[in-house]
Amino acid sequence: QKEVEQDPGPLSVPEGAIVSLNCTYSNSAFQYFMWYRQYSRKGPELLMYTYSSGNKEDGRFTAQVDKSSKYISLFIRDSQPSDSATYLCAMKQAAGNKLTFGGGTRVLVKP
Amino acid sequence: DVKVTQSSRYLVKRTGEKVFLECVQDMDHENMFWYRQDPGLGLRLIYFSYDVKMKEKGDIPEGYSVSREKKERFSLILESASTNQTSMYLCASKGGATNDSPLHFGNGTRLTVT
Repeated sequence: QKEVEQDPGPLSVPEGAIVSLNCTYSNSAFQYFMWYRQYSRKGPELLMYTYSSGNKEDGRFTAQVDKSSKYISLFIRDSQPSDSATYLCAMKQAAGNKLTFGGGTRVLVKP
Repeated sequence: DVKVTQSSRYLVKRTGEKVFLECVQDMDHENMFWYRQDPGLGLRLIYFSYDVKMKEKGDIPEGYSVSREKKERFSLILESASTNQTSMYLCASKGGATNDSPLHFGNGTRLTVT
């Protein structure tokens, strides 16, 4: 079993809908949780960063972490065609620089 | 803006060849990483380096080696390329000592081994 599980999609939604993405993980030592966005033929770029449990909001994006359930989520409100990309969750332990990534979810927002 | 440049966008090599993938970053970052990305498997860490001439194995180092002779440059070496090393290779750099410093990725090298 992988340490971090993520549904590969694709997830297709109409423009303006809420996009809901999630990851589950098995390693309770993970303390830092990130979401990266990757456009086609590009490298991933950091979208959201959360430490431990709780919510974080940044514009149309909300990241949630539930450590008791080992479950993290990313919500995109008022989705736009420009949000069409692959979204990767990533997490790390308190020490060190090693990130463990999920497999990525491909999202398609249709105009 | 941080720039991580990977020297080749596409590479086609033959089985058994020695392959060099080059990565350069322009932000004086201490940490550099090599990942491979395969469908359904996400990004898997091959090697990373936290300083010049320092390296550590990641999750899948077998069949690979790395070189970091200068701070800005991190090379991935496939000693004898095999078809199962066909993949997208992503280089990343990270500065700062804090946990929220992001990884900055290059745009990848798609390697095909025939």
